Amino acid sequence: AQKITQTQPGMFVQEKEAVTLDCTYDTSDPSYGLFWYKQPSSGEMIFLIYQGSYDQQNATEGRYSLNFQKARKSANLVISASQLGDSAMYFCTIGGGNKLVFGAGTILRVKS
Amino acid sequence: EAGVAQSPRYKIIEKRQSVAFWCNPISGHATLYWYQQILGQGPKLLIQFQNNGVVDDSQLPKDRFSAERLKGVDSTLKIQPAKLEDSAVYLCASSLDVRPSDTQYFGPGTRLTVL
Repeated sequence: AQKITQTQPGMFVQEKEAVTLDCTYDTSDPSYGLFWYKQPSSGEMIFLIYQGSYDQQNATEGRYSLNFQKARKSANLVISASQLGDSAMYFCTIGGGNKLVFGAGTILRVKS
Repeated sequence: EAGVAQSPRYKIIEKRQSVAFWCNPISGHATLYWYQQILGQGPKLLIQFQNNGVVDDSQLPKDRFSAERLKGVDSTLKIQPAKLEDSAVYLCASSLDVRPSDTQYFGPGTRLTVL
């Protein structure tokens, strides 16, 4: 069975600063994908970034980067230059070719 | 490219009534998922279709929930009869296939309130 642990229920960050959202995972699958999604208060689930278990380099997408440490089973999301629009719930998920298993999420609030 | 479409966006019903939700995935996506998201929690998979076949329905309460994906395109999820604990957002997602690298894209969701 796959499991995601997000230990930060809520985080605050000052506008324009960087923030790291923690995620650890557990899986027995040799091949898996790690995904981060953003869910604003409006409710839609927005895909942010993907990291494959065999990828040698950390994934980056604009202001988002994923700090992937396979041996430690961690996949932390780094958001650089935070904006007010980044305030939302963030979910770390793991997929092994079918369903996504979601963590409990981290609420991020960006302060001006 | 059009995203995942869902309707209705909101639904309020009395307990013991029935309700149906509709989802149209991204064109060309073979895999379709229905998730239930209770307030304050992460989504939980209810059922996964690959084309028009069921891949995983292990967490679907089959005594009251049913889903179909006729012709391998759009899908409906039905609850009959509804219970108070069914109040949640029902999210539909689709992906190209079932590889670990296949990103799931979500629709806007249907917010169900059972009174």
